[in-house]
Amino acid sequence: SQTIHQWPATLVQPVGSPLSLECTVEGTSNPNLYWYRQAAGRGLQLLFYSVGIGQISSEVPQNLSASRPQDRQFILSSKKLLLSDSGFYLCAWSVRRQGRNTIYFGEGSWLTVV
Amino acid sequence: AQSVTQLDSQVPVFEEAPVELRCNYSSSVSVYLFWYVQYPNQGLQLLLKYLSGSTLVKGINGFEAEFNKSQTSFHLRKPSVHISDTAEYFCAVRGYQKVTFGTGTKLQVIP
Repeated sequence: SQTIHQWPATLVQPVGSPLSLECTVEGTSNPNLYWYRQAAGRGLQLLFYSVGIGQISSEVPQNLSASRPQDRQFILSSKKLLLSDSGFYLCAWSVRRQGRNTIYFGEGSWLTVV
Repeated sequence: AQSVTQLDSQVPVFEEAPVELRCNYSSSVSVYLFWYVQYPNQGLQLLLKYLSGSTLVKGINGFEAEFNKSQTSFHLRKPSVHISDTAEYFCAVRGYQKVTFGTGTKLQVIP
């Protein structure tokens, strides 16, 4: 069966510090991978999506970046965090086969920038 | 481009009353449609999805949704809500390679 792992689950980081959130998927190959953010009082916002290794599309301008070093690994990073980066970050995956296009989410990471 | 609109940010409803959460979308390609629920302090959970076939889709916890292509809508309904349905509900549209979410609707069930 397919599973998705996302870590860390919670973290508190000072302004200006770096960030690395990691996500891995098991039990499937060639997934589409996504990073979403849910800021307080707002809906889900798509940050990045990837259709293959090294292929990253950015949806919104920001100081975050994403990388996909392996087929089933997706990393969200920042060199210097801002207060506005606080929020709930969700990694997700979906398969590209016909008729199976459900998106599956990780457990999420709560980031508080102080 | 594709977009999802959930016009109601909050919907209060009395327990055992019916509820409808609205979702409208726009897309230049064929789409698949989803409803997700997020209970307090938890991650997202899939409620139901429309991929093809019957336009009335039944999901978990007694929820159902109807796909209306002409009105580009996918409203979520439940005939009788329970306190445990209090949560935030997200409509999502999956077009080519990308999933777009609405801003969410907070359902508050009043005892």
